[in-house]
Amino acid sequence: DAMVIQNPRYQVTQFGKPVTLSCSQTLNHNVMYWYQQKSSQAPKLLFHYYDKDFNNEADTPDNFQSRRPNTSFCFLDIRSPGLGDAAMYLCATSRVRTRWSETQYFGPGTRLLVL
Amino acid sequence: TQLLEQSPQFLSIQEGENLTVYCNSSSVFSSLQWYRQEPGEGPVLLVTVVTGGEVKKLKRLTFQFGDARKDSSLHITAAQPGDTGLYLCAGPDLYNTDKLIFGTGTRLQVFP
Repeated sequence: DAMVIQNPRYQVTQFGKPVTLSCSQTLNHNVMYWYQQKSSQAPKLLFHYYDKDFNNEADTPDNFQSRRPNTSFCFLDIRSPGLGDAAMYLCATSRVRTRWSETQYFGPGTRLLVL
Repeated sequence: TQLLEQSPQFLSIQEGENLTVYCNSSSVFSSLQWYRQEPGEGPVLLVTVVTGGEVKKLKRLTFQFGDARKDSSLHITAAQPGDTGLYLCAGPDLYNTDKLIFGTGTRLQVFP
């Protein structure tokens, strides 16, 4: 019954070593989002895809990249993780654009630790 | 820029107490949503309010959307330890149709 799946749940990487987080969805939703969340804070949107259209937030560092090879999968690549990138990374989906009060469905998150 | 300010930021109470969380903005929102995020999990939608003055109830939780659609509140009656989590209000960004603006969050701890 899992709808938005994130793997792995915990990821440990070394300072500067590239890491990829993955997200898959069984909802066939058009929109997929990547958020960064630090302790007790609100999720911060990094980027999102509407179908294949990629939308980057203006303040998302260049160190963060994303790929969406098909409707079901989306990846977050961190090219050179720094200590400040340690956080929970949340993937979310919505059927259509949020303007229409659509629900966002979140995965359980991947907690990234940078050593 | 649309901002959603939540208060209080932290709330620690005993089981059985009542509480209210507020979500305020100077901007009008077409709708507001409330999410709850349990530790180690992603946020889960609790409710969407779309009409000014609307009140929705979900068991012990009561949600209200302000008449002017600039604010919302969440009231929990007889809180239980299972209510523990981060409560987030969120609304659609007027200038970016795909984007949700999240509130600053309220972390609730309910002790047995």
